[in-house]
Amino acid sequence: EAGVTQFPSHSVIEKGQTVTLRCDPISGHDNLYWYRRVMGKEIKFLLHFVKESKQDESGMPNNRFLAERTGGTYSTLKVQPAELEDSGVYFCASSRASGTGEMNTEAFFGQGTRLTVV
Amino acid sequence: LAKTTQPISMDSYEGQEVNITCSHNNIATNDYITWYQQFPSQGPRFIIQGYKTKVTNEVASLFIPADRKSSTLSLPRVSLSDTAVYYCLVGLSGSARQLTFGSGTQLTVLP
Repeated sequence: EAGVTQFPSHSVIEKGQTVTLRCDPISGHDNLYWYRRVMGKEIKFLLHFVKESKQDESGMPNNRFLAERTGGTYSTLKVQPAELEDSGVYFCASSRASGTGEMNTEAFFGQGTRLTVV
Repeated sequence: LAKTTQPISMDSYEGQEVNITCSHNNIATNDYITWYQQFPSQGPRFIIQGYKTKVTNEVASLFIPADRKSSTLSLPRVSLSDTAVYYCLVGLSGSARQLTFGSGTQLTVLP
């Protein structure tokens, strides 16, 4: 079974440009998450999809970030326009659906996309 | 979300047992305790999860005292490849919620 895949693995763009990150979750996983770690900081939650719906986007830093999950399959995270402080590693994770009372379902992470804004 | 505290770093030697303790004084009744491992240039990887007492899998053991205000991840006979950052996370059961990562513990295994 393929794991969570992210593309690209690295991206270097100039300030003001647009970048789109892609995440392919594990097949059949309803939950998809985006996280990021900026330099020297902890991994922070950005948002959570359940299928194609945004369940929680409380971690999105501002309106320059737009996430989509078309058809409840892969997801994209667009940064437009990119700023220097957006540099960091962006992780995607997915997990299967869970019901009330079950343990937290294991989240599988991708390798991350290292974004550098210059 | 309960805050967790764990040592910033630990050193060990190959073949030793390593115990990493995490405190979570404000853990809620429905919270589970989960540990993740992260190697450089990779995403975090699930190691083990528990609610109370002891949980063991092929990779590690997790010890949780009765008050659940702390937990200890135990790695038996570590090798150089166990050098990584280990995160202790505490969160709600039920629907898959966001994970809250702290600073983690950088474990360095020396030859």
